[in-house]
Amino acid sequence: DAKTTQPPSMDCAEGRAANLPCNHSTISGNEYVYWYRQIHSQGPQYIIHGLKNNETNEMASLIITEDRKSSTLILPHATLRDTAVYYCIVRSGNNAGNMLTFGGGTRLMVKP
Amino acid sequence: EPEVTQTPSHQVTQMGQEVILRCVPISNHLYFYWYRQILGQKVEFLVSFYNNEISEKSEIFDDQFSVERPDGSNFTLKIRSTKLEDSAMYFCASSVDRWGHEQYFGPGTRLTVT
Repeated sequence: DAKTTQPPSMDCAEGRAANLPCNHSTISGNEYVYWYRQIHSQGPQYIIHGLKNNETNEMASLIITEDRKSSTLILPHATLRDTAVYYCIVRSGNNAGNMLTFGGGTRLMVKP
Repeated sequence: EPEVTQTPSHQVTQMGQEVILRCVPISNHLYFYWYRQILGQKVEFLVSFYNNEISEKSEIFDDQFSVERPDGSNFTLKIRSTKLEDSAMYFCASSVDRWGHEQYFGPGTRLTVT
């Protein structure tokens, strides 16, 4: 699976959009981009995933660049409850065991 | 909203003892996983399970570990002879689709080995 690079930490003001970047320059054609988050000591929570098109759901939007070498997770109106560690994971869609490999993630602090 | 549940929330055991961590995955999910997170470290994959068989396991998942789906609802992780370094949060997860795109995690069991 391709390696990802994320900034270790970011701050965001409450009510503003949080834009979390992820670099995955070695991604291959059959690899998906996944975003999960972990709120303090809780189990990771699925947010969104995509292959090459931009995706949106009730939680967030995922913007993938045309060359697929980077992506951005957008939380449109961050709240204090969005304070968490956000993980960008790249993985093959036909990974036999479906394992997720978590890196260090980005610690997002939403401030009032 | 359906969710993955895990019991107990905290387990304390002595080194060398056997422990069984229990999980109830989401009812229509077919793929099950165990991950662990040592305090302050990354979340690590242990094992995935489908159709009563292990699909994939990591190097961490050695002969001391085993998984089982003893009935239609529970999914268990057994550690045969616990070591101090097994102290961690253990998360169970499940997914409905064969690609595991959306894995839903439980709240975790904190295992403390003394």
